[in-house]
Amino acid sequence: SAVISQKPSRDICQRGTSLTIQCQVDSQVTMMFWYRQQPGQSLTLIATANQGSEATYESGFVIDKFPISRPNLTFSTLTVSNMSPEDSSIYLCSHKGGINTEAFFGQGTRLTVV
Amino acid sequence: TQLLEQSPQFLSIQEGENLTVYCNSSSVFSSLQWYRQEPGEGPVLLVTVVTGGEVKKLKRLTFQFGDARKDSSLHITAAQPGDTGLYLCAGVTAGNMLTFGGGTRLMVKP
Repeated sequence: SAVISQKPSRDICQRGTSLTIQCQVDSQVTMMFWYRQQPGQSLTLIATANQGSEATYESGFVIDKFPISRPNLTFSTLTVSNMSPEDSSIYLCSHKGGINTEAFFGQGTRLTVV
Repeated sequence: TQLLEQSPQFLSIQEGENLTVYCNSSSVFSSLQWYRQEPGEGPVLLVTVVTGGEVKKLKRLTFQFGDARKDSSLHITAAQPGDTGLYLCAGVTAGNMLTFGGGTRLMVKP
């Protein structure tokens, strides 16, 4: 199993500013994922972050808007850049091991842009 | 793109009632997982079903994986207020990525 600590848990930010979300895993993991979720709705994958390589972004998400760092096997950050109210959402990091194994999630960051 | 359609989106029932949530796809998945999420927390795995036709039981929860590995269902017997939450099905692709269904918000009233 893996425990993922994510912070901040919530923030209220001014439009035009940037917020960096951090995720710390209690063990070394290869694959990490970043998701966005509207409250009460499903998860949308933003990008996959593997240590030692550039993050792979899903359609509709770009590196300039959501830069990701993966400096080692236990840590990753997602930055939401030049925020607008449309970026208000819950952001979650996740790790998943082998193909039929469990995915573990951080507790999420609830972002409100005003 | 592999899509998973989950239904219903929202369910409000009385304590003691039974319910079924469905996930359907036109694509085959390596396995299918069901997660439950509470407000302010990340999703937590309930079960993984791998084999076509597989049935797994977890106390009052019964999970089925379709014979063709394209669909799944979650049945809850005698629902309790503690079952309230967001239920998410997720198909595991051959590339080990998760494709989430749209989610089912369940509210069980005492």
